Amino acid sequence: AQKVTQAQTEISVVEKEDVTLDCVYETRDTTYYLFWYKQPPSGELVFLIRRNSFDEQNEISGRYSWNFQKSTSSFNFTITASQVVDSAVYFCALIRGDDKIIFGKGTRLHILP
Amino acid sequence: DTGVSQDPRHKITKRGQNVTFRCDPISEHNRLYWYRQTLGQGPEFLTYFQNEAQLEKSRLLSDRFSAERPKGSFSTLEIQRTEQGDSAMYLCASSLTATGNTEAFFGQGTRLTVV
Repeated sequence: AQKVTQAQTEISVVEKEDVTLDCVYETRDTTYYLFWYKQPPSGELVFLIRRNSFDEQNEISGRYSWNFQKSTSSFNFTITASQVVDSAVYFCALIRGDDKIIFGKGTRLHILP
Repeated sequence: DTGVSQDPRHKITKRGQNVTFRCDPISEHNRLYWYRQTLGQGPEFLTYFQNEAQLEKSRLLSDRFSAERPKGSFSTLEIQRTEQGDSAMYLCASSLTATGNTEAFFGQGTRLTVV
């Protein structure tokens, strides 16, 4: 069975601090894809990144970075120098092959000014 | 193309009434998903289509729910005899994929309130 676990329900940090959102996944497949989505207060899910199971190279995009480790089945997301606009709910998701997307329960991030 | 479009954005209905939601995916996207999201939870899978074929329907979905994608373009989700427990945000997403390796783009959702 597939499963995505985001153990952090809610996180609050002060602006400019770094923050890491954890994601642990379960799948028996060797080919799968992992995603992160952002859901701001407006409600629309915004795609942030996709990573396939064969590519463990970490990725950096501006203040965002992702750490994919197959050995621990984790795909963590770090925001550097956080800003108030980063306040949102963040979802980690998994898809295997030609299947449906499975989401975690999300982490609500509060960036305090 | 302006992205995935959902209509209506909000729907308030009385318990027992039927409701229908529409989703227009991004042009040429062959996969279309429906998800439901309640407060404080992640999106919960309902069903998905590859072109006009419905590939899977969640076992959590009762017989009161039905979805169609008649021409492989737009899709409708109907809920019959609505119950208060159906109150949620209904999300539609689309992607261009046959192997599931591309990201899904989501619409703004339809918020259903059953009173």
